[in-house]
Amino acid sequence: QQQVKQSPQSLIVQKGGISIINCAYENTAFDYFPWYQQFPGKGPALLIAIRPDVSEKKEGRFTISFNKSAKQFSLHIMDSQPGDSATYFCAASMSTGGFKTIFGAGTRLFVKA
Amino acid sequence: DAGVTQSPTHLIKTRGQQVTLRCSPKSGHDTVSWYQQALGQGPQFIFQYYEEEERQRGNFPDRFSGHQFPNYSSELNVNALLLGDSALYLCASSLGGRGGYTFGSGTRLTVV
Repeated sequence: QQQVKQSPQSLIVQKGGISIINCAYENTAFDYFPWYQQFPGKGPALLIAIRPDVSEKKEGRFTISFNKSAKQFSLHIMDSQPGDSATYFCAASMSTGGFKTIFGAGTRLFVKA
Repeated sequence: DAGVTQSPTHLIKTRGQQVTLRCSPKSGHDTVSWYQQALGQGPQFIFQYYEEEERQRGNFPDRFSGHQFPNYSSELNVNALLLGDSALYLCASSLGGRGGYTFGSGTRLTVV
């Protein structure tokens, strides 16, 4: 119930294309859903986050779509660029008990120039 | 504005030894969470410290312990090291544990 399942494991997209990464969760107590971007040799960096009271959030080329009834959320990267090549993690946390954050297994994105 | 600082960056230890990793949170943050990230996997939650106390703990044995100091910095201690403890150890800070984390670059621990 504490798991966050992420797919695909890896993704290759052409420059200018749309990258889509999907996540699913079970525990309905989760109330904060961030996405992190990690480059080799670095720690994850917060990219964008959403709360379950909205269905979509957009920041620049990055959009989160959230489906509360299906317990799924996804990250869309529009106009993907080679500099977006990184590992992306979805995550979920709950405000009860201190916002412990559970991470998905990650998606390795490669954007071909 | 300094982000999260972790030390050391790399460490090699022998099985059975003990190790201490250190973390200074981002300025203004009071909560520190520790994660273990094995190669090619997502970060796994070890524990979280707030107000100098362990507030939450993940599924890690008692060999993993920690401490938070009055200046909000934190240490992660691992006793009786096993080969399987080899991983990137990440420290993340936040304000009250709320919202997104700011991560450090991690400490790469290799147990031989």
